[in-house]
Amino acid sequence: QVQLVQSGAELKKPGSSLNVSCKVSGGPFVHQNLNWLREAPGQGLEWLGGIIPVFGVANYAQRFQGRITIIADESTNTVSMELRSLRSEDTAVYYCAKARGVTIFGPYGMDVWGQGTTVTVSS
Amino acid sequence: DIVMTQSPVSLPVTPGEPASISCRSSQSLLHNNGHNYLDWYLQKPGQSPQLLIYFASERASGVPDRFSGSGSGTDFTLKISKVEPDDVGIYYCMQSLQAVTFGGGTKVEIK
Repeated sequence: QVQLVQSGAELKKPGSSLNVSCKVSGGPFVHQNLNWLREAPGQGLEWLGGIIPVFGVANYAQRFQGRITIIADESTNTVSMELRSLRSEDTAVYYCAKARGVTIFGPYGMDVWGQGTTVTVSS
Repeated sequence: DIVMTQSPVSLPVTPGEPASISCRSSQSLLHNNGHNYLDWYLQKPGQSPQLLIYFASERASGVPDRFSGSGSGTDFTLKISKVEPDDVGIYYCMQSLQAVTFGGGTKVEIK
């Protein structure tokens, strides 16, 4: 049974960068389809991007292209997300999630979720 | 992007009664492999989202059989045959045929 444990809450300044990590246990790390999503206050869910470690190439939502990097570290079974040039609108709870599968556009059937990481962007 | 529209936005329910949520997409979600790339998720208060349904009608592991998904193309429905108090939360549909987009959510609460 795959489990995902995320890093702790963050308070960031506008213009800075965010790094959030997600440790994977209980399954073959390199073959998992691992994703990052977020939920801003009063907003719905939004997918940011994902990666399958064995392939090593991340897939990003278009509106985050150039501002986000997702990497997988096989030595620690951890997937990390960096979001740069933070603004107040990036205040959200960030989730990592494992998907059952993936299309060329993104994941489907996200069946295991991390506990969420609260990120606040404020001066 | 494909726009996902859920209705209703709010759904007061009575325990033991059925409930239904609609999700419509601005484009067909039917792939030529025969699958509709439509998921349903439930986010209970204070918890991470959980997967209920994928491929429009496939129940995820451990999901009670009172939850069912139906539909194809652009019109989809999530049904709860007999609502239980533990079913309260926000329900989201999500498509992954073109990029990934979510519906705005349906808040289910007990009357």
